[in-house]
Amino acid sequence: GAVVSQHPSRVICKSGTSVKIECRSLDFQATTMFWYRQFPKQSLMLMATSNEGSKATYEQGVEKDKFLINHASLTLSTLTVTSAHPEDSSFYICSARWQGVGTEAFFGQGTRLTVV
Amino acid sequence: SQQGEEDPQALSIQEGENATMNCSYKTSINNLQWYRQNSGRGLVHLILIRSNEREKHSGRLRVTLDTSKKSSSLLITASRAADTASYFCATGSGGSNYKLTFGKGTLLTVNP
Repeated sequence: GAVVSQHPSRVICKSGTSVKIECRSLDFQATTMFWYRQFPKQSLMLMATSNEGSKATYEQGVEKDKFLINHASLTLSTLTVTSAHPEDSSFYICSARWQGVGTEAFFGQGTRLTVV
Repeated sequence: SQQGEEDPQALSIQEGENATMNCSYKTSINNLQWYRQNSGRGLVHLILIRSNEREKHSGRLRVTLDTSKKSSSLLITASRAADTASYFCATGSGGSNYKLTFGKGTLLTVNP
């Protein structure tokens, strides 16, 4: 299957700083990328959907100014957690879909963010 | 809101036994997908079943879909310790805004 690479896999940052997480589709062009957040032993909560070259669509309750998403190319989307707080500590996962409705999504390995 | 609801939330079986997980959903779907997640890792796609399909097989996996009951089941036959993971169903819906909505997952533990 297609490969989606997410980096970094783990990051620890201080409160008030910003953290950028990258999501790359390695062998296909991702027209749409998704960003999820997962708390321990819970399901994935969709944060936002990003389409290449346009603004991301955020789910209800997700602060767009706090979670900045950029999808500048067909192979790269970034999520920046700005002014991080301890409550932002979580597992963040991206996924990418290459075209069409109804196709499977390919997931990155996830990023464990810890804000201290 | 979460679309899919898996049950059971946790399942513990012995190697060689079959494991069945169920998923219910609430709205109309284009398809339903099952994913596996090892602890602290990303998700791996297992199988996709379209809304006009009733059953699908892939190796030791068998998925059924009953759109009248808005439910699906995932059967893993002859389980192995390596099957230990969380399993999520995800429903795909929407046209141009197509996206996946995940259930809460079933934590499967296969004891050697």
